[in-house]
Amino acid sequence: NAGVTQTPKFRVLKTGQSMTLLCAQDMNHEYMYWYRQDPGMGLRLIHYSVGEGTTAKGEVPDGYNVSRLKKQNFLLGLESAAPSQTSVYFCASSRDSFQETQYFGPGTRLLVL
Amino acid sequence: GENVEQHPSTLSVQEGDSAVIKCTYSDSASNYFPWYKQELGKRPQLIIDIRSNVGEKKDQRIAVTLNKTAKHFSLHITETQPEDSAVYFCAASTNNDMRFGAGTRLTVKP
Repeated sequence: NAGVTQTPKFRVLKTGQSMTLLCAQDMNHEYMYWYRQDPGMGLRLIHYSVGEGTTAKGEVPDGYNVSRLKKQNFLLGLESAAPSQTSVYFCASSRDSFQETQYFGPGTRLLVL
Repeated sequence: GENVEQHPSTLSVQEGDSAVIKCTYSDSASNYFPWYKQELGKRPQLIIDIRSNVGEKKDQRIAVTLNKTAKHFSLHITETQPEDSAVYFCAASTNNDMRFGAGTRLTVKP
């Protein structure tokens, strides 16, 4: 039981490049989330999904897109990376609501030059 | 939207002392208040949570209190140990949002 996994672990992009971060969970959770973590600002919700085929915006959605084609996977896309998107990205999942324990992945460190 | 403020940003205690971290929130619709611990370079992990219909919850050395009227909630760690050193985040959740505080870096000196 791997829990929540993320790929890649680390990536360097040039401004304007695109990339996709992959999150996978094997706990059969309905809810999945993408957060970014910046120094001194805690975790901020980018997008979330309440089930396969659904997505919704969080606190800071601009510049990101997401997809949940399969229940176990939640993809975060950056179409045109900007230096302001340099951050650590965490994926999380919870059983069936925001009011349940969120299980986090190990994080992806992204540097945009 | 919801705003969660967390204090202090850093806290240093001697081993065996108690540590208290306080948070306030603004959205009266918030009904779930988890606390996460994040060790250096690791992922956040839930240590305790409390729901809006409960005023206090305890789990061994860790306790959380909630004052809905004042929109305050606090984390209490007793008999601190060096392994308690980490960054602690409070959060407040509604049915469709989760907001985190900025974090408290706790250092427990042996």
